[in-house]
Parts: sequence; structure tokens; C-alpha cells
Amino acid sequence: DSGVTQTPKHLITATGQRVTLRCSPRSGDLSVYWYQQSLDQGLQFLIQYYNGEERAKGNILERFSAQQFPDLHSELNLSSLELGDSALYFCASSASSGQGDYEQYFGPGTRLTVT
Amino acid sequence: AQKITQTQPGMFVQEKEAVTLDCTYDTSDPSYGLFWYKQPSSGEMIFLIYQGSYDQQNATEGRYSLNFQKARKSANLVISASQLGDSAMYFCAMREGWNTGNQFYFGTGTSLTVIP
Repeated sequence: DSGVTQTPKHLITATGQRVTLRCSPRSGDLSVYWYQQSLDQGLQFLIQYYNGEERAKGNILERFSAQQFPDLHSELNLSSLELGDSALYFCASSASSGQGDYEQYFGPGTRLTVT
Repeated sequence: AQKITQTQPGMFVQEKEAVTLDCTYDTSDPSYGLFWYKQPSSGEMIFLIYQGSYDQQNATEGRYSLNFQKARKSANLVISASQLGDSAMYFCAMREGWNTGNQFYFGTGTSLTVIP
């Protein structure tokens, strides 16, 4: 158990809908990262937050947004869902701000299926 | 060009033998970090080992070691004394952009099967 929690574990929804994925980092970790793992595109970095502020942005679509709250939990919002958004979404946390290297601890993931 | 290349889609190793999983990377950033993760069939991602671009020595973590050859831009993972529980997908990853904001790149993974 990494100490990172993600909810829900599974999510099935229809095209055009909007969903919110939630992540709670390990106790004390200030950085949260979101990743998407799909069969055709592999593991893609989406976005990083550090202590409430966006720190780095990867291949995140405009239909997707994220935020980190004062209690450090983070939410990833996916809107206008398409079939291609079906994937495993991971959240990871680390202690660092990103100016140094460190371990990232991954949550168990949320499997999103868009029908 | 791919940032991280893993050329071995699948590998087999006999239990108790050592195995090397290949990873090459592409960056012009002098400061970067290299990581290996394990993903068992259950789906979780498990951090294994890390190597910084300025580290002089190869990283080791228990049965895992990273064969870092900077000039060749390779960061191969060596697993010694393979165990059945090592059967999993293995991903090589790189962080670059120390001062400008991190970017993380993952390879396509290598599926390792340990044979009893």
C-alpha cells in the first residue's frame, strides 16, 4: 500500500459526460501528479501540482482540468468525454516540489470506461 | 523522436537468473532523472530505482541495479536472482526540465516473465 488513495476505483459513463476523479496523497507529500495509461498511448504525464499550485503540464487535453485543494487532495475533471478517454488514470504523490528528484508513490488508479 | 525507448516488448528469464531490461533516452537537458517502475498484473505502479544525471555511481536498490551509461544515453535495469514475483511490466521513465518545470516521459514497457 503506497499511502495514496484514489476514488472511485472504477467508473463507467457515457460519451459527452463529465466525471471527477479524486486523489489523496501520502501524508506529508505536497506534490500530486496525474497520469493516463491507455492501450494505444501508453503512460502519459498529464499535470503536476505542488502545494496547491500548478507546477508542470504535460499532455493534458483542454477538456481536462485539475486542481489541488488546501488539504492537498487533488481532483481531475474530465469533460465532454469521448470513447478514447477510456483509460486507467493514476495519481502519484511525492515530497518534493519538483526541483529535486524523488520517488513518486502511485495510487491504485481509477479505471474509466466511456461507452 | 521518442524520449524513452524500450525495445524489448517481452522478456523471459529463468528463476534465480539475472536479467537486463533495456532503456535508452533522448534529452538535451543536462539535468534529468531516470526511473524504473514495476506494474504487476494487479495494475499498481511500484517505484523501483532512480538515477540522477549527475550521479557518479550506478544506483542500486536490493536486487535492482541501474546500469547508467550517460554517453550512450542508456539506463538499463538489472534484476539479479529473479523471483516468480518479478513477473510484471517494467517501465523506464525520465524527468527533464529541472528549472523550467518538470516533464515526465515513460517508455512503452517490457513484459517480464520469470520461468520456474
